[in-house]
Amino acid sequence: EVQLVQSGAEVKKPGESLKISCKGSGYSFTTYWIGWVRQMPGKGLEWMGIIYPADSDTRYSPSFQGQVTISADKSISTAYLQWSSLKASDTAMYYCARHGGNSDKWFAPWGQGTLVTVSS
Amino acid sequence: SYELTQPPSVSVSPGQTARITCSGDALPKQYAYWYQQKPGQAPVLVIYKDYERPSGIPERFSGSRSGTTVTLTISGVQAEDEADYYCQSADSSGTYVVFGGGTKLTVL
Repeated sequence: EVQLVQSGAEVKKPGESLKISCKGSGYSFTTYWIGWVRQMPGKGLEWMGIIYPADSDTRYSPSFQGQVTISADKSISTAYLQWSSLKASDTAMYYCARHGGNSDKWFAPWGQGTLVTVSS
Repeated sequence: SYELTQPPSVSVSPGQTARITCSGDALPKQYAYWYQQKPGQAPVLVIYKDYERPSGIPERFSGSRSGTTVTLTISGVQAEDEADYYCQSADSSGTYVVFGGGTKLTVL
């Protein structure tokens, strides 16, 4: 079974750094892209970016470029999303999902989500 | 920036047909995908490449396109179909992924 398991919920203060993870299993981790999607409370889905774990080729949404860093460690089938200085407006659920790539841009399956709360 | 436009809400009675539209200028050039998200759950892919259905998705879910609009159709709606539905595609260059704003389907 293809599965993505994300790290647990986080509560942080503004200005702190954070790195959340997404571990893939049940498929060849290096042959699919991994995407990250933000969902703010009560709002819709926002595409943040994608990474190809085989060579760490990364693409960001213009809205998130420079705000977050997406990375991957193919040796442990894990992708990451990190912030160097969190803001209250980063409070959201963050999902990772396997992505079909250039020819077929689906996202499936999705991880269970990581809730990030930033509050002083 | 490129946008996909969905109606905020659609309401239907059980057994009726629900149609959720998604409009965008680049849709003639890019495939569309649809996701179902129930409260407290992660999204699930229900349609890919405009009209293909992943394994395990009921046949009552179907997709179609006409010009700059794609449509998710749910035939014989059931109470369990009540959820938020999101379309997804890419800009005309295929570089950037974009999601529609989402449509809340209410089963009356």
